[in-house]
Amino acid sequence: QKEVEQNSGPLSVPEGAIASLNCTYSDRGSQSFFWYRQYSGKSPELIMFIYSNGDKEDGRFTAQLNKASQYVSLLIRDSQPSDSATYLCAVNPRNSGNTPLVFGKGTRLSVIA
Amino acid sequence: ETGVTQTPRHLVMGMTNKKSLKCEQHLGHNAMYWYKQSAKKPLELMFVYNFKEQTENNSVPSRFSPECPNSSHLFLHLHTLQPEDSALYLCASSQDLQIQGYNSPLHFGNGTRLTVT
Repeated sequence: QKEVEQNSGPLSVPEGAIASLNCTYSDRGSQSFFWYRQYSGKSPELIMFIYSNGDKEDGRFTAQLNKASQYVSLLIRDSQPSDSATYLCAVNPRNSGNTPLVFGKGTRLSVIA
Repeated sequence: ETGVTQTPRHLVMGMTNKKSLKCEQHLGHNAMYWYKQSAKKPLELMFVYNFKEQTENNSVPSRFSPECPNSSHLFLHLHTLQPEDSALYLCASSQDLQIQGYNSPLHFGNGTRLTVT
């Protein structure tokens, strides 16, 4: 059973702080990793993806991947109240073939003004 | 405005009713999906269609019946549901099923909030 684990939160951070969201996965052969953001009452939207070990930065967002530890994280710098949402970690167990994404339960982030 | 449209947005039905959820995508994608999102649970994949052909049925009870008449439309027919089936049902599409990566991300609709009484 392939699993993706996330702390459900809520994670509360003050405005301007760094929010750190964590995700672990069980399938060691997983190849690609995604972060989706879901505002309350809205649909999930892709905000970051990472394939290789290390850090990947995009604006205020940084994704970090450590395949040896089966760990992927999302850092949000200079957090804003508009970042308050649920963040879903998703893992593609294999790069080829008909392999649907496996999602975690999501971490609810609350940025306090 | 999402390129994936779902109707209705909200649905309340009794256990003996028959209803259908509709999904339409305007993105020219080839793959479409039904997901179930319940409180405090991960997104659960229910069905996958690629070029109108069903490629995955994730052990979903037969009271849920999907239909994909063409690559742009996807239905989920519901009958004799149980209260535990109450959830948010999300439709999604992607350009290509086999490359669910950054160049073929999932595009979700806003979902149908289903309540079974």
